[in-house]
Amino acid sequence: GIQVEQSPPDLILQEGANSTLRCNFSDSVNNLQWFHQNPWGQLINLFYIPSGTKQNGRLSATTVATERYSLLYISSSQTTDSGVYFCAVEHYEDNFNKFYFGSGTKLNVKP
Amino acid sequence: KAGVTQTPRYLIKTRGQQVTLSCSPISGHRSVSWYQQTPGQGLQFLFEYFSETQRNKGNFPGRFSGRQFSNSRSEMNVSTLELGDSALYLCASSLAGQNGNTIYFGEGSWLTVV
Repeated sequence: GIQVEQSPPDLILQEGANSTLRCNFSDSVNNLQWFHQNPWGQLINLFYIPSGTKQNGRLSATTVATERYSLLYISSSQTTDSGVYFCAVEHYEDNFNKFYFGSGTKLNVKP
Repeated sequence: KAGVTQTPRYLIKTRGQQVTLSCSPISGHRSVSWYQQTPGQGLQFLFEYFSETQRNKGNFPGRFSGRQFSNSRSEMNVSTLELGDSALYLCASSLAGQNGNTIYFGEGSWLTVV
């Protein structure tokens, strides 16, 4: 399989602060996505970003596939940003494309 | 456009029973994949179905099975339930499969095994 590691595991921010979440993976991947899971369990797709940089409002993401990492930037954080952020990669093995998730970064934004 | 719909949302079963969970993908999406989320193991990929065929599978025992119908709706079944099967089961759909496509998740089915 492939190892997907996210850091930090927990993050507490004051509203308005910026943060960077990291996702490292141990092998080349076909696909990388970032998700936000709200307190009710719903996973919302944030970015599909196998390489390069994308921005969506206060969020942006960068994946450097050759160095096997991806970064998620949150600027001017809001309390609604709280939840767990997962990165997921797709890895080809045993004639299958399999999806692997990191263990997540739990973000708590305080007012 | 309606999102991914999972039913039931919550259920409680006893050890040894079996359970069937249902997932209706976004209209036009042909790929449906299933995931198990537990506090200890995190999010784990179960299997993916595309055009009624299992295309990908994770590392789960044969007690976990699934199928997909011609309208792309999918069901997963867990037989001989164990306490450790208590989890949030998530379904996701995409247009043409996980490879190179954005996947969209349903709200999940919370299964408790007692």
